[in-house]
Amino acid sequence: ETGVTQTPRHLVMGMTNKKSLKCEQHLGHNAMYWYKQSAKKPLELMFVYSLEERVENNSVPSRFSPECPNSSHLFLHLHTLQPEDSALYLCASSQDSWDRVSARGTDTQYFGPGTRLTVL
Amino acid sequence: GENVEQHPSTLSVQEGDSAVIKCTYSDSASNYFPWYKQELGKRPQLIIDIRSNVGEKKDQRIAVTLNKTAKHFSLHITETQPEDSAVYFCAAVKSNYQLIWGAGTKLIIKP
Repeated sequence: ETGVTQTPRHLVMGMTNKKSLKCEQHLGHNAMYWYKQSAKKPLELMFVYSLEERVENNSVPSRFSPECPNSSHLFLHLHTLQPEDSALYLCASSQDSWDRVSARGTDTQYFGPGTRLTVL
Repeated sequence: GENVEQHPSTLSVQEGDSAVIKCTYSDSASNYFPWYKQELGKRPQLIIDIRSNVGEKKDQRIAVTLNKTAKHFSLHITETQPEDSAVYFCAAVKSNYQLIWGAGTKLIIKP
């Protein structure tokens, strides 16, 4: 349960605030992900980093800014969010992420506990 | 675009009975299909997965079946127990290496 950690676990912020979510993985994985989980919706992939390089950005608004300084840490910087951005933000990691030759990324993803974000 | 349909959205079964959750996918090139369980207030955790070179995989009370021709796969839980109550998510790998997730099934085990 401690393989992927996230802080803070809960965050309440106003629309003009700037905050950051942090994710850390202790599994030696080489890929990390940010997901948004809203009630009654599928998990929405936001960003993927493989070997510290962003490989996917699913048309996420610019008020969300990811940062991956090394293979163990992933941040999500937040600014001028909207109330509809309130959700559970999950970080995940995996090994042998994206095979660029075959364009396959099939390995198991391990999730962090999430940050429950409320935007007022 | 590619998507994964998951049914039902809610499933209520008597303790001891079996539960089946079904998913269909659209990308015929998908070759990896994991199932995750998310208990209330907790993180999603992998419970079983299957790759396209096999049709069925079993792990104690949990099994997954895959029909590549019909592009659907199912999760089967036998002899359900209260601790099986959770939301279950299916996923399929997308052709450009993303996992596409189903919307989830809330499984309720009635005592």
